[in-house]
Amino acid sequence: NAGVTQTPKFQVLKTGQSMTLQCAQDMNHNSMYWYRQDPGMGLRLIYYSASEGTTDKGEVPNGYNVSRLNKREFSLRLESAAPSQTSVYFCASSELAQPQHFGDGTRLSIL
Amino acid sequence: GQQLNQSPQSMFIQEGEDVSMNCTSSSIFNTWLWYKQEPGEGPVLLIALYKAGELTSNGRLTAQFGITRKDSFLNISASIPSDVGIYFCAVGGSTSGTYKYIFGTGTRLKVLA
Repeated sequence: NAGVTQTPKFQVLKTGQSMTLQCAQDMNHNSMYWYRQDPGMGLRLIYYSASEGTTDKGEVPNGYNVSRLNKREFSLRLESAAPSQTSVYFCASSELAQPQHFGDGTRLSIL
Repeated sequence: GQQLNQSPQSMFIQEGEDVSMNCTSSSIFNTWLWYKQEPGEGPVLLIALYKAGELTSNGRLTAQFGITRKDSFLNISASIPSDVGIYFCAVGGSTSGTYKYIFGTGTRLKVLA
């Protein structure tokens, strides 16, 4: 019963470095999402994938790219990390259009 | 952009008390969701509401979708220590996009035993 698995759980980067956050779900869900959570601001949608082969921008996509590698996996890439991207990143999956199952997050600090 | 207002921001309650929190929006939304998040974990979906006026329960939790489609409340009856966490509302199903759900800033609940 893994659900949604995110790796890594923690990461520290220097400004300008690149990084890919991995997400995999084992529930055969069509939809997958990437959110970021900053203190006092709730969760904000970065990108989503309604189905394998499609991706779309959310509320805060600048500075990020995504890849829906297959139905199970949805990765988030920071090409040139900036301190403003310090946050907790959550991946979610769903069989509906709304986010149902979340991973436990990746805590990313950029110095 | 769109904003959701959740109130209260935080609350301390005694074990056994009932809890009420709400979520309001300036725009109409067709789907209202309630989540709970515990420290170090991702949010867990508690209740989903799809119809104006709908009242839905999940154990000790009850949520209602407002008639105007601009608000919702969540009630927790007979609170217990494990109810501690942050409760988020989220809305979607507007013209901004089917998959683009907006989250509120949360109500932080602390239960005193």
